[in-house]
Amino acid sequence: AQKITQTQPGMFVQEKEAVTLDCTYDTSDPSYGLFWYKQPSSGEMIFLIYQGSYDQQNATEGRYSLNFQKARKSANLVISASQLGDSAMYFCAMRDYKGGANNLFFGTGTRLTVIP
Amino acid sequence: DSGVTQTPKHLITATGQRVTLRCSPRSGDLSVYWYQQSLDQGLQFLIQYYNGEERAKGNILERFSAQQFPDLHSELNLSSLELGDSALYFCASSVSEDRPTYEQYFGPGTRLTVT
Repeated sequence: AQKITQTQPGMFVQEKEAVTLDCTYDTSDPSYGLFWYKQPSSGEMIFLIYQGSYDQQNATEGRYSLNFQKARKSANLVISASQLGDSAMYFCAMRDYKGGANNLFFGTGTRLTVIP
Repeated sequence: DSGVTQTPKHLITATGQRVTLRCSPRSGDLSVYWYQQSLDQGLQFLIQYYNGEERAKGNILERFSAQQFPDLHSELNLSSLELGDSALYFCASSVSEDRPTYEQYFGPGTRLTVT
C-alpha cells in the first residue's frame, strides 16, 4: 500500500527566505512518481513540480525544487525567495502504476504562511 | 487556468437527495479522475475513467457512481446524500497517452454542502 506522510501541519517563513516542506513516502513499487501541489485559499489545486523514481537529477521549476532522497524515501519541496503569494496549503502526492492505475495518493498537507 | 472545467462551483442540497457533478477535461486528455477533499478524510481518490471505461476505483461509496461520455466529459453522481458527504469534489485530467510521468491537472472543484 502507498503512503505519503507530511509531518508539518503548519510552517512559517519570512518573506524572501527559503523554506523546506517535508514529505516521506512508502511504496513497494520501484516505478513511481512524486508530485507537489499548491492549494491557495481559493481552493484550486495547482501543480508545482514532479519527480520520477528513476530520475537521476532533482527536479526544479523556477523557485521550486524537489530534494529527492530515494534511499530515505523523502521528497521535500524547497521554495526559494518566498513571496506573500506562496501562503497556501501544500500537498505532496505519489502515483504508482500497478494495474494501469494512475491515481494520486495525497499527504495531509502543510499550511505555509509567509510573513512580511 | 488548468483547462479543466467543473460545474457547478457550489451546490447546497438536503440529506437524502441526489446530485450530479460535471467535469470537462482538458482538450485531448482521455483520462479523468475524481477526488474528494473533506476535513476528516483529506484528499481521497474516488474513481478514474480512461476513454470512456472505468480504469481504477478508490474509496468510492456504493451510493456514488460516475461515467465518462463519448465526448470525454464525466459526471459524478452522488445519491442518498448524508451530512458527511459535504466536501470539495475535484475532477482532474491527464494527457491522452497513458504514461505514468504525466501530471494531473485539477479543475476548480465543486463544493457540496449537504444540510
